[in-house]
Amino acid sequence: KAGVTQTPRYLIKTRGQQVTLSCSPISGHRSVSWYQQTPGQGLQFLFEYFSETQRNKGNFPGRFSGRQFSNSRSEMNVSTLELGDSALYLCASSHLEAGGRDTQYFGPGTRLTVL
Amino acid sequence: AQTVTQSQPEMSVQEAETVTLSCTYDTSENNYYLFWYKQPPSRQMILVIRQEAYKQQNATENRFSVNFQKAAKSFSLKISDSQLGDTAMYFCAFRGADGLTFGKGTHLIIQP
Repeated sequence: KAGVTQTPRYLIKTRGQQVTLSCSPISGHRSVSWYQQTPGQGLQFLFEYFSETQRNKGNFPGRFSGRQFSNSRSEMNVSTLELGDSALYLCASSHLEAGGRDTQYFGPGTRLTVL
Repeated sequence: AQTVTQSQPEMSVQEAETVTLSCTYDTSENNYYLFWYKQPPSRQMILVIRQEAYKQQNATENRFSVNFQKAAKSFSLKISDSQLGDTAMYFCAFRGADGLTFGKGTHLIIQP
């Protein structure tokens, strides 16, 4: 099976702009989660989607949003970019098990640089 | 909210040695999974091993094994016969009701 894919791999934006990142999960996985990784804050959970519905959301401002499509592909959007949004954005997909637990498999990430 | 603590920011061992990475966590949940992920310089996050909290038996994957102490909320990773390719950041992660919570990571360096 093909792994999780993320596009684009690298992105450079300027402050105030908005950006959309895309994630295609492993075939058959209906759950997609997003994480932000920075040197200072480490890995932080952004949100989780299952069957087009947001299940969980991390502690991020409303500028960060996401959605999931009927084919399980997901996008996340960051509006009004700030310098602090520069990070590696990781997407993970999983097969949600009974009890709501899962094993997440990660994509290669999108490196966003905000100038 | 869950917390995951990795107290060793960096470790260095010689090739072929055995190394243990520590992780403790805090939660009030009873149904959870624990993971170790590896992130080499490529930044690709790779699943190393998984442990379900309801299982008493410690998980093992080839050279990788865990010591899961549920009462102590401890979850250490042992790497046997370490190899140069094991050099990476290792993250301990907790999967509860609110997504994955990661520790700060341990940078493991395998010396030739």
